[in-house]
Amino acid sequence: EVQLVESGGGLVQPGGSLRLSCVASGFTFSGRWMSWLRQAPGQGLEWVANIKRDGTEQYYVDSVKGRFTISRDNAKNTMYLQMDSLRVEDTAVYYCVRGGLYDGDHWGQGTLVTVSS
Amino acid sequence: VVMTQSPLSLPVTLGQPASISCRSSQGLVNSDGNTYLTWFQQRPGQSPRRLIYQVSNRDSGVPDRFSGSGSGTDFTLKISRVEAEDVGIYYCMQGTRWPGTFGQGTKVEI
Repeated sequence: EVQLVESGGGLVQPGGSLRLSCVASGFTFSGRWMSWLRQAPGQGLEWVANIKRDGTEQYYVDSVKGRFTISRDNAKNTMYLQMDSLRVEDTAVYYCVRGGLYDGDHWGQGTLVTVSS
Repeated sequence: VVMTQSPLSLPVTLGQPASISCRSSQGLVNSDGNTYLTWFQQRPGQSPRRLIYQVSNRDSGVPDRFSGSGSGTDFTLKISRVEAEDVGIYYCMQGTRWPGTFGQGTKVEI
């Protein structure tokens, strides 16, 4: 069974940083692109970033470029999202998703990031 | 690519059919010949679940009352007979061009 477990969310002040983690199990992690998506409270869904199987390619939505960094450790079956210079508008539930644009299928339960003073 | 869904709210009757429309601002045929149009269901309090990929392919475990169709810029999700467990918000998403973009969501309620 595919499982994706996110952690690392919480309350942070504007300008602060957080690091999200996603631990994967139930599939060959190194064989799949992985992605982060988010959903602001009561709002729709937004693609944030994705990363190639071996970590050599990353893509970001314009609103987070230069502030967020996606990475992965295939030995630990774990994906990360380092979020710096956080803004109020980054407040959302962040989801780990197996796959990329073409084949994203399973979603984790999400972790809530709240940016507020 | 802007994705536009209609309606945004869909009152349904149990056992009756339902249909959701999704239009894209650009054609979604990829350079590899595939059309990356996906439908997700988000039940209240849950994460999204993929129902349909590449326009019309149903995911494993998805009831066959769900079907997807369309081409070019116009796509449709149909539920042949609505059941109580189908309540939730349905999103279309294009994955042909980065970044993937979602429709606003259609809230299905009994």
